[in-house]
Amino acid sequence: GAVVSQHPSRVICKSGTSVKIECRSLDFQATTMFWYRQFPKQSLMLMATSNEGSKATYEQGVEKDKFLINHASLTLSTLTVTSAHPEDSSFYICSATWARDRNQPQHFGDGTRLSIL
Amino acid sequence: RKEVEQDPGPFNVPEGATVAFNCTYSNSASQSFFWYRQDCRKEPKLLMSVYSSGNEDGRFTAQLNRASQYISLLIRDSKLSDSATYLCVVNTNAGKSTFGDGTTLTVKP
Repeated sequence: GAVVSQHPSRVICKSGTSVKIECRSLDFQATTMFWYRQFPKQSLMLMATSNEGSKATYEQGVEKDKFLINHASLTLSTLTVTSAHPEDSSFYICSATWARDRNQPQHFGDGTRLSIL
Repeated sequence: RKEVEQDPGPFNVPEGATVAFNCTYSNSASQSFFWYRQDCRKEPKLLMSVYSSGNEDGRFTAQLNRASQYISLLIRDSKLSDSATYLCVVNTNAGKSTFGDGTTLTVKP
């Protein structure tokens, strides 16, 4: 099956640090990748949709200057949490889809657990 | 009203039980449907797609009723390892995926 790799899996850093998370599709071309955030015991919240070669589309309430998304190739999207603060601590998950066929399911990376001290 | 609604749960069942989860969606333009499972502190994993004719994968059966905009997942002969949160996911023809909040299942010995 499709494999999506996310790195790093765990980050602990000081308040004010910027953190970069990578999402790679390993065996297919992902024209569209999605970034989610999940707080404990809550559902997945879509943050943004990342399309290769164009600007990301952010969901309402998500600050695009805070969460920078770059999708420079068909296999890599990155999310940078700029000047992270403790309230940004969460589980960040990316997913990718073989978007030529919009009926395809999303395949998720392993997630990144971000803890800001 | 949410676009995708699931049984609130939690479901606590003994091993060997049969359990059914329901999901309704509001967008009649929805094109494709999936069930995912998510274990605690892990990413969601695709369990199965849902087809109009209904489909089965071992102990799991998924049903879709487009007229009622309703999806179901049936798990037979529950195992301890089935304990997880089950997410109903609906794709529109624009490729947008909408997730339900999930239903938590605990299978007990």
